[in-house]
Amino acid sequence: QQPVQSPQAVILREGEDAVINCSSSKALYSVHWYRQKHGEAPVFLMILLKGGEQKGHDKISASFNEKKQQSSLYLTASQLSYSGTYFCGTESDYGGATNKLIFGTGTLLAVQP
Amino acid sequence: DSGVTQTPKHLITATGQRVTLRCSPRSGDLSVYWYQQSLDQGLQFLIQYYNGEERAKGNILERFSAQQFPDLHSELNLSSLELGDSALYFCASSPFSSGVYNEQFFGPGTRLTVL
Repeated sequence: QQPVQSPQAVILREGEDAVINCSSSKALYSVHWYRQKHGEAPVFLMILLKGGEQKGHDKISASFNEKKQQSSLYLTASQLSYSGTYFCGTESDYGGATNKLIFGTGTLLAVQP
Repeated sequence: DSGVTQTPKHLITATGQRVTLRCSPRSGDLSVYWYQQSLDQGLQFLIQYYNGEERAKGNILERFSAQQFPDLHSELNLSSLELGDSALYFCASSPFSSGVYNEQFFGPGTRLTVL
C-alpha cells in the first residue's frame, strides 16, 4: 500500500519551519525523501536506513521511527526555494533491501515572501 | 542537471501503437529505475535493473518491458498503448543496488500522450 503523507498541503512564510510526515502500514527497510518542482524531475533530499544510517542535505533533517513505520522531514527557516511537492519513498523490509520504492501521496509546500 | 538523460522529451502517439523510451544513466551508475507519474496514480515504480540484470519489479504491466544494455543505458518499451498510459515516465539512476549511499538521480522525463 501507498504510504500516507501529512499534511497534504502547507503554506509558509519565509523563515518559518515545517514538518512533513510519512506513515506506512508495512515494516520498512529505508525511507527516501524527494522534492519535485512543477514540471521538473524529483530531486533527492534524504535517505534513512533501518538501524540509523542516513544521508542528506545540511539544512534539511529527518527522522525514522522503525517501530512505528514513520518518518518525518524537518524543514527549518524555510526559503522560497523550498517550495514544491515533497514525496517520501518507502522500501519495505523483507529481511533486507528490496529496491522497490513505493512513493507517498505527496505534500505540496508553498513558501511565500 | 542530474546527469541522467532521457529521450525523447515528448512523444505523441495513437492507441494500439508501440513506443520506446531511452535512458542514459549518470556516468558510473550501475542501477537504472523506471517510474510512471500520472495525476491520479502519483509516482509509481515500474522496474529496476542493476548492471544489466533485472533486480526489482513493481506494478509494471505485461504490455511494458525494459532492458539494460552492456553500456548501461536502458530502454522501456510500451506496446498496445491505451489512453490510460498517458503519463510522465522518469528514469533514475544510482551507484549501487541498495544502501545509504543509494540516492536516485532522476532524469528530466518523457511525457507520453496517447490519443
